[in-house]
Amino acid sequence: RKEVEQDPGPFNVPEGATVAFNCTYSNSASQSFFWYRQDCRKEPKLLMSVYSSGNEDGRFTAQLNRASQYISLLIRDSKLSDSATYLCVVNGAGGFKTIFGAGTRLFVKA
Amino acid sequence: DTGVSQNPRHKITKRGQNVTFRCDPISEHNRLYWYRQTLGQGPEFLTYFQNEAQLEKSRLLSDRFSAERPKGSFSTLEIQRTEQGDSAMYLCASSSDITVNQPQHFGDGTRLSIL
Repeated sequence: RKEVEQDPGPFNVPEGATVAFNCTYSNSASQSFFWYRQDCRKEPKLLMSVYSSGNEDGRFTAQLNRASQYISLLIRDSKLSDSATYLCVVNGAGGFKTIFGAGTRLFVKA
Repeated sequence: DTGVSQNPRHKITKRGQNVTFRCDPISEHNRLYWYRQTLGQGPEFLTYFQNEAQLEKSRLLSDRFSAERPKGSFSTLEIQRTEQGDSAMYLCASSSDITVNQPQHFGDGTRLSIL
């Protein structure tokens, strides 16, 4: 079993749709969690950190469920520019053992 | 801009040659990471530095790979006797250690192609 697992997709959604991604992790001692987006042939860029109480940044909402060991990302009112690969990132104790998921591809269509 | 800088952006070399990549982190960041990414996969952790100390090294990092961060600022990643399977994007990231949960910021990467 992979340490961090994501549905690879692709998710094909129309503009304006709401889409949600889940990510599961195996190490219950994991301490911090992030979502990154990566455009084709570009470097990953931080989208948002994921806090235990859940957090929102504009159209994006991230949630953490420690009991079930998963994190989620919700995108509301999808834009064409949201088309990218979304990477789930889990840090272990000390913050330096960093595991990336393989990513979920999102295509937003006009 | 004081983002993470990597060079070269691209490197094409013949199998068996040695290559070296450089990473300049964000100046106030004392944590530095190297990753390798192949098509369709997320970045795979290679190694981690806290200042000049290499504190973690992945099993992916064979004896042909070595990384240094001699003065706690820039870092180099060297691959000796390159093989076709080394073709990948090599990413460097840095973060602060103000708290344990600081996100990492990535450079543009070095794309390595082995002929």
